[in-house]
Amino acid sequence: EAGVAQSPRYKIIEKRQSVAFWCNPISGHATLYWYQQILGQGPKLLIQFQNNGVVDDSQLPKDRFSAERLKGVDSTLKIQPAKLEDSAVYLCASSPRGSSYNEQFFGPGTRLTVL
Amino acid sequence: AQKVTQAQTEISVVEKEDVTLDCVYETRDTTYYLFWYKQPPSGELVFLIRRNSFDEQNEISGRYSWNFQKSTSSFNFTITASQVVDSAVYFCALSEARGGGGTSYGKLTFGQGTILTVHP
Repeated sequence: EAGVAQSPRYKIIEKRQSVAFWCNPISGHATLYWYQQILGQGPKLLIQFQNNGVVDDSQLPKDRFSAERLKGVDSTLKIQPAKLEDSAVYLCASSPRGSSYNEQFFGPGTRLTVL
Repeated sequence: AQKVTQAQTEISVVEKEDVTLDCVYETRDTTYYLFWYKQPPSGELVFLIRRNSFDEQNEISGRYSWNFQKSTSSFNFTITASQVVDSAVYFCALSEARGGGGTSYGKLTFGQGTILTVHP
């Protein structure tokens, strides 16, 4: 079974530029999560989708971050414009459904460096 | 609000030593789930174990064992006879059944992580 795919793996941009990350979850998984992991910290949830609807985006900086999950499968996370403090690894995870019981399966992440 | 604390930032051991990673959590919910994930240098978080709040039985899986004590809000992880391949960052995480308000299910709150280095 294929795991969670993410691209690109690495991205370097200058502040005020825009960037987009892509995630393809495990086939059949209804729930998709985007986490931000700053160096030396644990991942922090940015947004959670259940199929193509947003369940929780309370910690998403909506003035600069946006995310969508069209057709309930792939998802993209965009930052526009980027700030220095956005330098982090962006992890995508999926689970069969949005239950606190379910383990989440994580992708390899996209490491973003903002100069 | 839920919170997970891993007080040990870094641990360094020599191969074959036993090592325990501490995890303390806070939650107002009576039903919750605790997880441990491993993050090797490749970056991908790997699920190790899940424990629900009503099951305080300790669990052993090969060289790994977990000690859940509700009375002290702790969920510690022990690696017996550590190996170099165990070197990674380990995260403890908490998921509340009611999502802290009922709007988010499955949201994981992670601790800061413990960097484990096992030397040959």
